[in-house]
Amino acid sequence: QQQVKQSPQSLIVQKGGISIINCAYENTAFDYFPWYQQFPGKGPALLIAIRPDVSEKKEGRFTISFNKSAKQFSLHIMDSQPGDSATYFCAASRVQGAQKLVFGQGTRLTINP
Amino acid sequence: GAGVSQSPRYKVTKRGQDVALRCDPISGHVSLYWYRQALGQGPEFLTYFNYEAQQDKSGLPNDRFSAERPEGSISTLTIQRTEQRDSAMYRCASSEGYSNQPQHFGDGTRLSIL
Repeated sequence: QQQVKQSPQSLIVQKGGISIINCAYENTAFDYFPWYQQFPGKGPALLIAIRPDVSEKKEGRFTISFNKSAKQFSLHIMDSQPGDSATYFCAASRVQGAQKLVFGQGTRLTINP
Repeated sequence: GAGVSQSPRYKVTKRGQDVALRCDPISGHVSLYWYRQALGQGPEFLTYFNYEAQQDKSGLPNDRFSAERPEGSISTLTIQRTEQRDSAMYRCASSEGYSNQPQHFGDGTRLSIL
């Protein structure tokens, strides 16, 4: 059962544009929502994370928007740069206990110069 | 080391052989996780350790898969009698063990079963 659905599968954005990746989850017990960035040949690296007690979190050019009632959250990358080209994964888990992450399928982002 | 170290980086073996994958977590990290990542997919949880105790192994596909972390540091994921469907990237992650602490992933072991 796919508990976290991510879209789109791939995304092409011009340099300077806004990249938006969306995720939806099913399990209402999830209360921790991180985004991971993965470059070819490397493991996923934590980019930014949010708890459901806030609707938005911003770190530099990266913003997570969270909609608890819709069970959706999204990543916005402002002023996208070629160096942002990577695969992005959303994930969800419970804070308490094992914190085993449930990942989305990934979005391959390409920023054209 | 500075990050999570996994070895070997690549492993090619024949069907039916046993393989052991090693994970050396970030020094001092209490929690250790194993995930499996198929090509074009996100990582899927396999098992989790807190110190040396295996707290959750609900993601292990079957009894050919096992993991240990005897001294609460290095962990080994063992696959017995490998099958072609076991081919995947196997990733290890570690964290400080407190709530909200991020999981830091290694660069993985690419396992190919011929």
